[in-house]
Amino acid sequence: DQQVKQNSPSLSVQEGRISILNCDYTNSMFDYFLWYKKYPAEGPTFLISISSIKDKNEDGRFTVFLNKSAKHLSLHIVPSQPGDSAVYFCAARGYGGSQGNLIFGKGTKLSVKP
Amino acid sequence: ETGVTQTPRHLVMGMTNKKSLKCEQHLGHNAMYWYKQSAKKPLELMFVYSLEERVENNSVPSRFSPECPNSSHLFLHLHTLQPEDSALYLCASSSSRGAYEQYFGPGTRLTVT
Repeated sequence: DQQVKQNSPSLSVQEGRISILNCDYTNSMFDYFLWYKKYPAEGPTFLISISSIKDKNEDGRFTVFLNKSAKHLSLHIVPSQPGDSAVYFCAARGYGGSQGNLIFGKGTKLSVKP
Repeated sequence: ETGVTQTPRHLVMGMTNKKSLKCEQHLGHNAMYWYKQSAKKPLELMFVYSLEERVENNSVPSRFSPECPNSSHLFLHLHTLQPEDSALYLCASSSSRGAYEQYFGPGTRLTVT
């Protein structure tokens, strides 16, 4: 069973508007949550992280929100730009026996239209 | 070369072939990883090396054999693969095992015929 779920395989947004990508997880022992971004023919690149003891982390146009009670996190991109079009992976870092291992979701393909 | 490089970028092999995937990182990192990405599935961690020692093998079949001769190089030796092994194989590195910021190579697209 998947521990990290991205239920929307794709999202289309108009340039300048907000993009909201969602992620749900099942294991309350994860200590960090990450977002990675992947362009075609390239490997994923780290975008932003949030500690499990925080509820918000902001970096420029990117903000990640964490709702621990709902086991849900989201990535907000404001304003969205065409260069943001990519696949976004949510990931969580394992704790304890799987310490340090990243568990990824399936990804959401974001298309930002000019 | 900078970052993490992988060769070859594309590989087609028959089920009886033996081939190897190569990964090299130019970042001075101490941990290296192999991931598999199949269509419509999440990235799956296969192997973890920390300071050239294999520290994790995620129930990967023995037809996949990793090798880490030094902290900059990682290989994945392949033999008698199955068509369902066709996937994108990604190598990554991080400053240490447990560092959540991992740097990925572009991947090798493997097709088993």
